[in-house]
Amino acid sequence: DIVMTQSPDSLAVSLGERATINCKSSRSVSYSSNNKNYLAWYQQKAGQPPKLLIYWASTRESGVPDRFSGSGSGTDFTLTISSLQAEDVAVYYCQQYYSTPHTFGQGTKLEIK
Amino acid sequence: QLQLQESGPGLVKPLETLSLTCTVSGGSISSSSYYWGWIRQPPGKGLEYIGSIHYSGSADYNPSLRSRVTISVDTSKNQFSLKLSSVTAADTAVYYCARQGSSFYTPHDYWGQGTLVTVSS
Repeated sequence: DIVMTQSPDSLAVSLGERATINCKSSRSVSYSSNNKNYLAWYQQKAGQPPKLLIYWASTRESGVPDRFSGSGSGTDFTLTISSLQAEDVAVYYCQQYYSTPHTFGQGTKLEIK
Repeated sequence: QLQLQESGPGLVKPLETLSLTCTVSGGSISSSSYYWGWIRQPPGKGLEYIGSIHYSGSADYNPSLRSRVTISVDTSKNQFSLKLSSVTAADTAVYYCARQGSSFYTPHDYWGQGTLVTVSS
């Protein structure tokens, strides 16, 4: 299985400031034939199911605010929230879907400082 | 708007079989464009992929659970189901059903609200 490791485990950021979450895979999740990175980011608020934010590492899901962006390739990826809003408090997970079983990072808890 | 809803017993005895159903509304489970999956989350912990299925019956399972898991689809009821046998306390979790894209190698874009299943005597 591909192991996904997120850092940090928790993060406190002031409102309006930038939040950055990292995700590293134990092997590349990039498919050379189509130049795509099989990496997604999800947001999970308390008591709710995960919500897909970003897929193909950098494509924003419809309806997701543009303050959320994803970057990276190969084994190293980043989720950035450019200006933190109160409603962004949640746990964020990365997921690789390059191979099955799909595997998730352990999660990063994002709070307001 | 696509909606998924999990249903099934909230309490299962050890060594028995956990059975859950996901009812899809607002879209057809028979669409060739989508796969349908199960993910679980133990209380206070992270997410674990259980498996996925296409309406044609093609299925994929997490090797760690493969010997105990069966996922099936009922197109007449627009439902898909999960069976997990010989459960233990380690199988206590919120179980989510979710939709994927046009292959096993796509993310999960629509999720049900989840249902908590507790394994206890």
